[in-house]
Amino acid sequence: GAGVSQSPSNKVTEKGKDVELRCDPISGHTALYWYRQSLGQGLEFLIYFQGNSAPDKSGLPSDRFSAERTGGSVSTLTIQRTQQEDSAVYLCASSRQGYNEQFFGPGTRLTVL
Amino acid sequence: DQQVKQNSPSLSVQEGRISILNCDYTNSMFDYFLWYKKYPAEGPTFLISISSIKDKNEDGRFTVFLNKSAKHLSLHIVPSQPGDSAVYFCAASDNTNAGKSTFGDGTTLTVKP
Repeated sequence: GAGVSQSPSNKVTEKGKDVELRCDPISGHTALYWYRQSLGQGLEFLIYFQGNSAPDKSGLPSDRFSAERTGGSVSTLTIQRTQQEDSAVYLCASSRQGYNEQFFGPGTRLTVL
Repeated sequence: DQQVKQNSPSLSVQEGRISILNCDYTNSMFDYFLWYKKYPAEGPTFLISISSIKDKNEDGRFTVFLNKSAKHLSLHIVPSQPGDSAVYFCAASDNTNAGKSTFGDGTTLTVKP
């Protein structure tokens, strides 16, 4: 079946603009995660959705970052008033309930000029 | 406070030899550990995992060893192949927060022909 997909694959924006990044998880996966990887860095946890539970937002770096997951499936990560330090690859992953293994999408490379 | 640490940013080995990637953790609540492999411009893919009730798990050329008392795990690849060249991430999770993993910063493995 299809894996995790993300769109767009690349996004170039100007400082101060808002951006929306989309993630389509694997069908049936109840958990969805957002991470970001800055150049030369590891995976930084941003937010975690599990079923109908309240999301774990503990990794969001500022209130400019928010995420939604509609209908328990597709998720959108929104960054408002983008800054140059937001430039990174944003990765989405999903997993089945009760399983630790995560399946990652290819990522969205965000460049803020 | 980084709970999962991969102290070697890079490792270079000759084809056919053993590659050993190391990972240390500080949170004694972690009870499940995973290794992911990442090629450039792709998302990480799950490689192998181990539960804290075991000290070794083997899958083909890949073996993960866990030393709970030392809070240390390692990934052995033998024999190493050029196609193994990638970034390897160690991750850890605990059942009180099932599914959510904490990642290390990764080790870049280069296998030379």
